[in-house]
Amino acid sequence: SQELEQSPQSLIVQEGKNLTINCTSSKTLYGLYWYKQKYGEGLIFLMMLQKGGEEKSHEKITAKLDEKKQQSSLHITASQPSHAGIYLCGARQTRAGGTSYGKLTFGQGTILTVHP
Amino acid sequence: EAGVAQSPRYKIIEKRQSVAFWCNPISGHATLYWYQQILGQGPKLLIQFQNNGVVDDSQLPKDRFSAERLKGVDSTLKIQPAKLEDSAVYLCASSLEFEKLFFGSGTQLSVL
Repeated sequence: SQELEQSPQSLIVQEGKNLTINCTSSKTLYGLYWYKQKYGEGLIFLMMLQKGGEEKSHEKITAKLDEKKQQSSLHITASQPSHAGIYLCGARQTRAGGTSYGKLTFGQGTILTVHP
Repeated sequence: EAGVAQSPRYKIIEKRQSVAFWCNPISGHATLYWYQQILGQGPKLLIQFQNNGVVDDSQLPKDRFSAERLKGVDSTLKIQPAKLEDSAVYLCASSLEFEKLFFGSGTQLSVL
């Protein structure tokens, strides 16, 4: 099965600082999703990347997909306490139309703490 | 638009007891997923349904876990008997074909 490795595992930053979270896949990526999770709760969708070189932004969060490196990064500019939580990357491991296409395999998560 | 509904929100049981979780997906979403998330780990897929048929249950411990999706809408996940290592958050998600997954708030299970 596809392995997704996130780095760092945890991150503590001062409010206002920029930060980057990385997600590296051991296999081909057929779609990369970023979610945010508060402890013990469900996952909130942030962004979906499907094409190599694709970059998407929402408010102060930007995600990029490097298909050749099988890697994605999530960058937060001028972090705020509201950004704190667990960030998870999830990947599709089969082509569209393949068996069980649709399910996501997740990384272990990155715990972000933002100090005011 | 209503989101994915799950119940109960929390459950505490003793080992060897049985437990059931319920999920109601977003209306019109044909695909439904059950994930298990152990503390400190990412979610792991247990079972995927397409309408009321099972697409993938390769990681479901079938000796103790079972799931069904009657009429292609609501779904239940059951554990019988529960073990200590089943303590986790059980997440239900649904999606339209080829689209992003929407997650419910999850059920936190503690097995004592």
